[in-house]
Formats: sequence, structure tokens, C-alpha cells
Amino acid sequence: QKEVEQNSGPLSVPEGAIASLNCTYSDRGSQSFFWYRQYSGKSPELIMFIYSNGDKEDGRFTAQLNKASQYVSLLIRDSQPSDSATYLCAVNTSTGNQFYFGTGTSLTVIP
Amino acid sequence: DTEVTQTPKHLVMGMTNKKSLKCEQHMGHRAMYWYKQKAKKPPELMFVYSYEKLSINESVPSRFSPECPNSSLLNLHLHALQPEDSALYLCASSQEAGGSQPQHFGDGTRLSIL
Repeated sequence: QKEVEQNSGPLSVPEGAIASLNCTYSDRGSQSFFWYRQYSGKSPELIMFIYSNGDKEDGRFTAQLNKASQYVSLLIRDSQPSDSATYLCAVNTSTGNQFYFGTGTSLTVIP
Repeated sequence: DTEVTQTPKHLVMGMTNKKSLKCEQHMGHRAMYWYKQKAKKPPELMFVYSYEKLSINESVPSRFSPECPNSSLLNLHLHALQPEDSALYLCASSQEAGGSQPQHFGDGTRLSIL
């Protein structure tokens, strides 16, 4: 079983819609969760991080964490074509030594 | 603009060459990382430095040799690389080592081995 799993997609949404990206993790002791956006040929860019159960909002982005069910999600409201990228979920290990990255979900926002 | 600066942006080298990748951050972070990323794959951790000491080496071949001269600089020395080592090499930093802090990535060095 992989430590962090994401649906690889591709996920396509029309412009203006809500894009929902999901991530599950296997290490029940994980405490820190991160979402990165990566455009093709570029490096990962930190979008959000969340440590507590519930929702955390930043502009058009909302991260949702449910530790009991071991999933974290990212919602993108009013999706724009510029949001088209691969979104990587990263989770820390219970020993706290490093991240595990998911394989990423490719998102395409259709104008 | 990223606060983690990597040079060079592109590097082409032969299998017998020796070259170095450089990374610099001025955010006062005490942890620095090297990752390797192949196309359509997530970043793969290579090395972690915490307070200028190597704390994690993910069984990386000895043809990759990291060095941390000071808290702001991280180098990756390359020697006798193989074609399969062609990839995007990413440097990242965080306030402290471990996975509890966000990591900030540089733009990467795209490495091609001939």
C-alpha cells in the first residue's frame, strides 16, 4: 500500500466550476499535510498546508482534513484555465522526518 | 520569484564529466533537501541536511555527493553519471528538518546525461 494515494486523473472541469482533488494516506500518525501545484516543466509551488481537522480557506482554495478517515482534499473555486497543472499532495511521516508525495492529479480547466 | 535559487537551470554533461549543482536560500531555514524528479512522477527525496549536517541519505548512489558549506548553501556534486540520471533536480528548504514544516522549492536544474 502506498503511503499517499491520489487519483492521477486527468480531471477536467469547465471554467468557473469547483475542482475537487482528493488524497488519502496510510500513516495514521501523520500530522502535517501540504498541497503543491506544479506546472509542466516547472518546480512544485506550495499552495496550502493544514494541520488540524476541518477546513482551511485561502482565497479560492480550501483544504479539508479528516484524520479519522485519513484523507485530505483541495477545493478550487471559480476554476481558471491558469489552474491547469498537476497537484501534489504531501504528508509527513509519523516519525516527522520527511514528506511522502502522492503521484499527483492532473487538472485541466476548460475555457 | 522563488526564494530558493538553483544554478544552473540546465546542464548537459557526458558520463565522464564532473559537475556541481548549487542551491542557495536566504530565508534563515535550517533544513535543506535535494530531490530528483522524473517526468510525470512525484519528487523523490535524495538527501536531507539539518543544521548543516546530513541527516537522511535515501540510499543514493555514490556518484551523487552532497555538500552543505553553510546554512544558506547546498551543493550536489556529480561524477560518472548514467543516462538514467537525467531528470529535474530540485532543491528545497524548510525552517526545520522533518515533514512538519512546509518545504519551499527552487526552480530546479534540468540535467541531461549524454
